[in-house]
Amino acid sequence: GQQVMQIPQYQHVQEGEDFTTYCNSSTTLSNIQWYKQRPGGHPVFLIQLVKSGEVKKQKRLTFQFGEAKKNSSLHITATQTTDVGTYFCADMEYGNKLVFGAGTILRVKS
Amino acid sequence: NAGVTQTPKFRVLKTGQSMTLLCAQDMNHEYMYWYRQDPGMGLRLIHYSVGEGTTAKGEVPDGYNVSRLKKQNFLLGLESAAPSQTSVYFCASSPTGITEAFFGQGTRLTVV
Repeated sequence: GQQVMQIPQYQHVQEGEDFTTYCNSSTTLSNIQWYKQRPGGHPVFLIQLVKSGEVKKQKRLTFQFGEAKKNSSLHITATQTTDVGTYFCADMEYGNKLVFGAGTILRVKS
Repeated sequence: NAGVTQTPKFRVLKTGQSMTLLCAQDMNHEYMYWYRQDPGMGLRLIHYSVGEGTTAKGEVPDGYNVSRLKKQNFLLGLESAAPSQTSVYFCASSPTGITEAFFGQGTRLTVV
């Protein structure tokens, strides 16, 4: 089946710096969902992107879906300690199989 | 509204023992999923179900079985536990295949 590759695996930033994680696929993605998992917690849905070239914002978070629908990114502006956690992208394969990337672990140093 | 509830939250098994993990959702969702999470591996799909009475294999189904006899419950069985099945298991549900998934709190399983 199709795989979603997520990079980087890990990033450690100074509080106030920006952060970006990327999700890439060799084939066209049907839609992309993004989730956040706090340390010791469970994944929580952030957003879903469906349309080619779509850009959505949630406060300091900006989500983009590539024009060819083969990649997506999550950008956090001016990170805060509350942003700490693992960010996952997920693709709905064949309309019924939610498959996750390996995740990017974000650590924020204050 | 409890959402998605997983039972138990922690368990230690000996190699060769069997057990069943229960996932219950009270949101009348059609889709349910079982994942395992290991360091550096993300969330890997074990089995999933798109409705009562249906199940399908995910990315890593070997060593696991599932059943969805009732719409609200999705059971994950380990017939003969192995140390490689030591992991954190998450259940999730969603109304349809293209909407957000809601996760349970997870079950931490250790096989010794």
